[in-house]
Amino acid sequence: GENVEQHPSTLSVQEGDSAVIKCTYSDSASNYFPWYKQELGKRPQLIIDIRSNVGEKKDQRIAVTLNKTAKHFSLHITETQPEDSAVYFCAASLMDTGRRALTFGSGTRLQVQP
Amino acid sequence: GAGVSQSPSNKVTEKGKDVELRCDPISGHTALYWYRQSLGQGLEFLIYFQGNSAPDKSGLPSDRFSAERTGGSVSTLTIQRTQQEDSAVYLCASSSVGQGSNEKLFFGSGTQLSVL
Repeated sequence: GENVEQHPSTLSVQEGDSAVIKCTYSDSASNYFPWYKQELGKRPQLIIDIRSNVGEKKDQRIAVTLNKTAKHFSLHITETQPEDSAVYFCAASLMDTGRRALTFGSGTRLQVQP
Repeated sequence: GAGVSQSPSNKVTEKGKDVELRCDPISGHTALYWYRQSLGQGLEFLIYFQGNSAPDKSGLPSDRFSAERTGGSVSTLTIQRTQQEDSAVYLCASSSVGQGSNEKLFFGSGTQLSVL
């Protein structure tokens, strides 16, 4: 089955700096890579996702890049704000034909220092 | 419904007892997932239901765990002979599935299970 590794486990940045979280996956058939944000005491929510037919996707201050050859994808948050403090999870799965369940990474606790 | 509903929100049980956790997905969502989240840990996949297909049970940690989804809607996760290591938050999620959908998972608020 799919195995997703995520680094770092914790990340502390100053407000206004950028934050980068990296994930690798094992199954070359995976074609869908979402990122979820979980604030303290709340349920995870999707913040951005990317499919394997594109290399990069942006949404305001967040972006995700994908390197299919290396089986590696990353989340980039620019101009970080205190409200970005949360646990971020990457995930991978096969969607559409022969779909498989989402496998999540172990999470990154991001702390943005004001 | 307005969102994914899980019950109970909290469950305290004694070691060795059986428990049932319930999940009501968003109406019309054909995919339903169960995940387990231990304190400060990641989201551990348990089981995945997709339409009328056979469920993916590959994440169930032991034969004490089982799940059903009746009528393609409500799902029940059953843990038999609970152990202390079963203590965690059990999250249910659902999504609409199909070509062109964004596959977004909507999570419930979870059931906090404590095994004494």
